[in-house]
Amino acid sequence: EVQLVQSGGGLVQPGGSLRLSCTASGFTSSSYAMIWVRQAPGKGLEWVSYISTGGNTIYYTDSMKGRFTISRDNAKNSLYLQMNSLRSEDTAVYYCARIVGETNWFDPWGQGTLVTVSS
Amino acid sequence: SYDLTQPPSVSVSPGQTASITCSGDKLGDKYASWYQQKPGQSPVVVIYQDRKRPSGIPERFSGSNSGNTATLTISGTQDMDEADYYCQAWDSSSVVFGGGTKLIVL
Repeated sequence: EVQLVQSGGGLVQPGGSLRLSCTASGFTSSSYAMIWVRQAPGKGLEWVSYISTGGNTIYYTDSMKGRFTISRDNAKNSLYLQMNSLRSEDTAVYYCARIVGETNWFDPWGQGTLVTVSS
Repeated sequence: SYDLTQPPSVSVSPGQTASITCSGDKLGDKYASWYQQKPGQSPVVVIYQDRKRPSGIPERFSGSNSGNTATLTISGTQDMDEADYYCQAWDSSSVVFGGGTKLIVL
């Protein structure tokens, strides 16, 4: 079964750091680009970051540049999101997703992990 | 930045046809995808490349994209289709999602 399993969420104080992980199974993750998407409580989906198959092409949404770092370890079938200088507005469920097809749609998605930034 | 606009909610009676629109500048020149999200669950793709259905998605889901508007159509809507729906497109190297539409089946 093709799936993405996430870990690493939790409660962190403002200004703190957290690293999210996303581990792939059922497929060769090195063959696929990946993204992170987040969803604040009661809000819509917001794209966070993109990484190419080899990790040499990376994009971020403007509001997260300089604070978030996406990376991957293809030997471990894993994707990461290092989040620094966290703010209350970063509180959200974070999803990883595989990019598939010629037109780059997203399937599957991880189960999501909640990040709460609060003192 | 590129924006995609969706109505906040759409209501439909069971068995009827629901249409959810997604508007963006020259959206028809891009490919649109649609994601269904039920409460407490991760999004699931229901339409990709404007009008294609992934395996396992019922035939009652269809899509179109032309001009400035992409449309997700659900024919013979069922109670289980009640969910939030998000359109999505790529703008250069950025992923853009619409604000989401809550489909209410009543």
